[in-house]
Amino acid sequence: GDSVTQMEGPVTLSEEACLTINCTYTATGYPSLFWYVQYPGEGLQLLLKATKADDKGSNKGFEATYRKETTSFHLEKGSVQVSDSAVYFCALTSYNQGGKLIFGQGTELSVKP
Amino acid sequence: GAVVSQHPSWVICKSGTSVKIECRSLDFQATTMFWYRQFPKQSLMLMATSNEGSKATYEQGVEKDKFLINHASLTLSTLTVTSAHPEDSSFYICSASPPLAGSVTQYFGPGTRLLVL
Repeated sequence: GDSVTQMEGPVTLSEEACLTINCTYTATGYPSLFWYVQYPGEGLQLLLKATKADDKGSNKGFEATYRKETTSFHLEKGSVQVSDSAVYFCALTSYNQGGKLIFGQGTELSVKP
Repeated sequence: GAVVSQHPSWVICKSGTSVKIECRSLDFQATTMFWYRQFPKQSLMLMATSNEGSKATYEQGVEKDKFLINHASLTLSTLTVTSAHPEDSSFYICSASPPLAGSVTQYFGPGTRLLVL
């Protein structure tokens, strides 16, 4: 079945460091790909998405490119801030999933001043 | 973006009681909503898909009689945890998708934290 694999956390960075969180997927068909962010004690917020190969999603300085050839959707940011500390979830959905989201296990990011 | 609310945000109850959690889409109609459960430091587990005007579809291993789902209108789905026990303590999150052509984006509520004593 379809699945998403993320790099394990926690990831600890200093402020202004570069961030990459790896995400790879397996899926039949042509999934849409998402990054969601969860701040402590809160629900999930959509961070960015890409619906077809070579699309780049971007928001708040974060970027991810839908790479069909490597089945990846890595999350990147050039300069992280303390306020970026959260758990990041990579996810996919496709029409043959009936709209269901399949999540990776989440990667906790901690940014130190 | 689309807004989804949940109520209550926190609930503490005694073992054996039932708890109802509401999920509302505030600025769009949702024929389908999803209910998830999240344990500390873990990912989200899909419990069921709530369909307006019909029965919910439950994921394997989720007890239908334990977790009652009612999707009474296009903006409201409710999850009732019946005869709650301490092991039901968890963070429950709902989501919904705006009915745009081809839209697969889900928007999430803020979650409801349930503690059963």
